[in-house]
Amino acid sequence: NAGVTQTPKFQVLKTGQSMTLQCAQDMNHEYMSWYRQDPGMGLRLIHYSVGAGITDQGEVPNGYNVSRSTTEDFPLRLLSAAPSQTSVYFCASSYLRDGAGELFFGEGSRLTVL
Amino acid sequence: AQTVTQSQPEMSVQEAETVTLSCTYDTSESDYYLFWYKQPPSRQMILVIRQEAYKQQNATENRFSVNFQKAAKSFSLKISDSQLGDAAMYFCARPGGSNYKLTFGKGTLLTVNP
Repeated sequence: NAGVTQTPKFQVLKTGQSMTLQCAQDMNHEYMSWYRQDPGMGLRLIHYSVGAGITDQGEVPNGYNVSRSTTEDFPLRLLSAAPSQTSVYFCASSYLRDGAGELFFGEGSRLTVL
Repeated sequence: AQTVTQSQPEMSVQEAETVTLSCTYDTSESDYYLFWYKQPPSRQMILVIRQEAYKQQNATENRFSVNFQKAAKSFSLKISDSQLGDAAMYFCARPGGSNYKLTFGKGTLLTVNP
């Protein structure tokens, strides 16, 4: 039972570098999303997708790109990393079922931008 | 903007005692779901309990129960017979803008004292 798998779990970047956080789920969920968690801020939605080929912006999308070419995968790209993007990132997925669906989370990825 | 407010950044409770974590939210919807998630030091996000807004009866899951006051837009979590393993960050969440995008509060850090 893999659930939601995120890689890498830890990453250190230098300012200006780019990278991709990978997210895969094996539950055939239509909905996938990325959150960032910062101290005292809770979880804030970055981008989300309701199906392959469909993505949309959340609350804090600037500096991030996403794509959804398959149901299973939803990578998050940092185009030019900035220290303000130092955070813990969570991928989460669920069924689209009138909001009743539980969000299943990955284990998180801690990113540090120097 | 849809908001979720957790007014207690930190709480503490003695082992075996009862503690209540508060949450208020805003919404223009009449039918929606509310959630409490737990994040232990492992960082994994775990669903604790879910409440359907159209149901009058408060949800209960073993030692966890909610006090849902729809008119007041209040959704508190009561933990009975607190255990050391309950120590975690607790997040209240509700769908924001559509039924599947969750908006989270900033969290309440619960400490359980032996």
